[in-house]
Amino acid sequence: EAQVTQNPRYLITVTGKKLTVTCSQNMNHEYMSWYRQDPGLGLRQIYYSMNVEVTDKGDVPEGYKVSRKEKRNFPLILESPSPNQTSLYFCASNPGHPSTDTQYFGPGTRLTVL
Amino acid sequence: KQEVTQIPAALSVPEGENLVLNCSFTDSAIYNLQWFRQDPGKGLTSLLLIQSSQREQTSGRLNASLDKSSGRSTLYIAASQPGDSATYLCAVCGGGSQGNLIFGKGTKLSVKP
Repeated sequence: EAQVTQNPRYLITVTGKKLTVTCSQNMNHEYMSWYRQDPGLGLRQIYYSMNVEVTDKGDVPEGYKVSRKEKRNFPLILESPSPNQTSLYFCASNPGHPSTDTQYFGPGTRLTVL
Repeated sequence: KQEVTQIPAALSVPEGENLVLNCSFTDSAIYNLQWFRQDPGKGLTSLLLIQSSQREQTSGRLNASLDKSSGRSTLYIAASQPGDSATYLCAVCGGGSQGNLIFGKGTKLSVKP
């Protein structure tokens, strides 16, 4: 089944404890991205990747890192999480550039930082 | 800066009604507009994608229109069913290398049996 998977689905952590949220897609998509969803603010893009080893900042990149060593995986890294990073996070992938193709979203990761 | 607005924020209708969800955007320089559905505890599911050169797209009971010049899109749902209850999100793609989607805050739809 074609899908985007994220792990973990739920995570409660404390300020400053490094964490990684994994994202994997099995559709051989080139473009991948991360969004966060907050009440009243909607979804906003954090980082995106056009292909392996090619990543760039989205609209709200502060406090996050990403890597794209393999085409299928695009982990989101929070080196020193803070409470303002409490949010619902979505990974998404596209066959090509989003200007021509729809995005496929993962199920989301609900992160709480205490 | 692109802004996307969805009206109404919430809508409750009886089963069987036809309904229209509205989306407006401030910058007409878009590559496409997409409608998504979001169910609680689940990710977003793409419903329809309209390229900037198109006027509408249809899928089953759903029809989406795009008027780029006026910065508006509508999602028409025919013969609504309780299973249509969800939050509907509109998003525009501004292109460039970033290709990020700018989302509206959504319309929460409740279809009552």
